[in-house]
Amino acid sequence: GAVVSQHPSRVICKSGTSVKIECRSLDFQATTMFWYRQFPKQSLMLMATSNEGSKATYEQGVEKDKFLINHASLTLSTLTVTSAHPEDSSFYICSAWSSGAMWQSSGNTIYFGEGSWLTVV
Amino acid sequence: GESVGLHLPTLSVQEGDNSIINCAYSNSASDYFIWYKQESGKGPQFIIDIRSNMDKRQGQRVTVLLNKTVKHLSLQIAATQPGDSAVYFCAEQTDNRKLIWGLGTSLAVNP
Repeated sequence: GAVVSQHPSRVICKSGTSVKIECRSLDFQATTMFWYRQFPKQSLMLMATSNEGSKATYEQGVEKDKFLINHASLTLSTLTVTSAHPEDSSFYICSAWSSGAMWQSSGNTIYFGEGSWLTVV
Repeated sequence: GESVGLHLPTLSVQEGDNSIINCAYSNSASDYFIWYKQESGKGPQFIIDIRSNMDKRQGQRVTVLLNKTVKHLSLQIAATQPGDSAVYFCAEQTDNRKLIWGLGTSLAVNP
């Protein structure tokens, strides 16, 4: 089945530095990817929609200059947390749409990565 | 909406019993709904989905019921097992492919 890989799975960085998280679709092309963050015992919060070859669309309240998203190819989207602070520590999850499937069809056409734990110290 | 500051509701069941997890969704125009299972420290895992032209859909040990009148979704797990312990989220899909997530329910299975 389709697989979405996130890297790194865990990362610790110092406050003020930047950290990049990669999201790759391994056996399908994804024109659209989504980035979420999740705090412990809470639901997923959509941060932005990443579209291949165009600028990401950010949700209200998400700073686009702080959370840089690049979707340079049909199989890779990256999220860069710039000037990280301890409050950015969270679980970041990406998901990808399989562009080969009709999005309205029943069945699992949305694939999730395993998530990336970011700890800012 | 966001669930900032809220604690997940917990459902505790005995191994072998049936579990019912409920979810209220927000958008009456949503036409596709998905249940996900999330184990600690992992990404969401697809369980079952249903389209708005259906009231019920069954999978292996799981059944999803959709009541559009009251915008309610439920997930039934038959013969609950310890491996079913996780957080369960419902999600509704909008027409721009975004998912609107429910608050989640933590399922604890007692041996």
